[in-house]
Amino acid sequence: AQSVTQLDSQVPVFEEAPVELRCNYSSSVSVYLFWYVQYPNQGLQLLLKYLSGSTLVKGINGFEAEFNKSQTSFHLRKPSVHISDTAEYFCAVSYPNAGNMLTFGGGTRLMVKP
Amino acid sequence: SAVISQKPSRDICQRGTSLTIQCQVDSQVTMMFWYRQQPGQSLTLIATANQGSEATYESGFVIDKFPISRPNLTFSTLTVSNMSPEDSSIYLCSVPGQGTDTQYFGPGTRLTVL
Repeated sequence: AQSVTQLDSQVPVFEEAPVELRCNYSSSVSVYLFWYVQYPNQGLQLLLKYLSGSTLVKGINGFEAEFNKSQTSFHLRKPSVHISDTAEYFCAVSYPNAGNMLTFGGGTRLMVKP
Repeated sequence: SAVISQKPSRDICQRGTSLTIQCQVDSQVTMMFWYRQQPGQSLTLIATANQGSEATYESGFVIDKFPISRPNLTFSTLTVSNMSPEDSSIYLCSVPGQGTDTQYFGPGTRLTVL
């Protein structure tokens, strides 16, 4: 069975500072990896995904993530955050060819302060 | 990406009643998923709904409590039956993107049970 761990439930950061949201997964087989963002009172929006190929993936709103197979990690980063990045961020995994079923991490609340 | 709408966007219900949530997609999809997000928590898959067959429920979820309909390839409903305060959550539907391994989410239905 696969599982996803987001090590930080909350990450406070000042505006224009860099941020890293950590995600580790466990799986005995290859997985697809995703980051979703949930703004207050809204649904989930896909930030970026890793399916194969280059381990550094770039997403929307200036976010990027790096797949590290040896460390089974898929940390999300942004070099300079804005107030508008305040939201809940979810890491998720799925098995290739397994019907797109997602397993989510517990979420990390990013709080950007002025 | 798919455009997904849900109705209602939010509701406040009395204990013991039932609420039916609708999910409409702008394209035909074979699979639709229903998730629950309890307050302050991550998303948990309730069931997978395929058109023309019975929904497949995840561990901890049963058809009597969460009956699902899937009358065609663009529409599904989830009913939360005999509600209790513990059912207060956001309920989200999602669909796979066309030819991709990505899931796209509806805006969610915020349910409060008194």
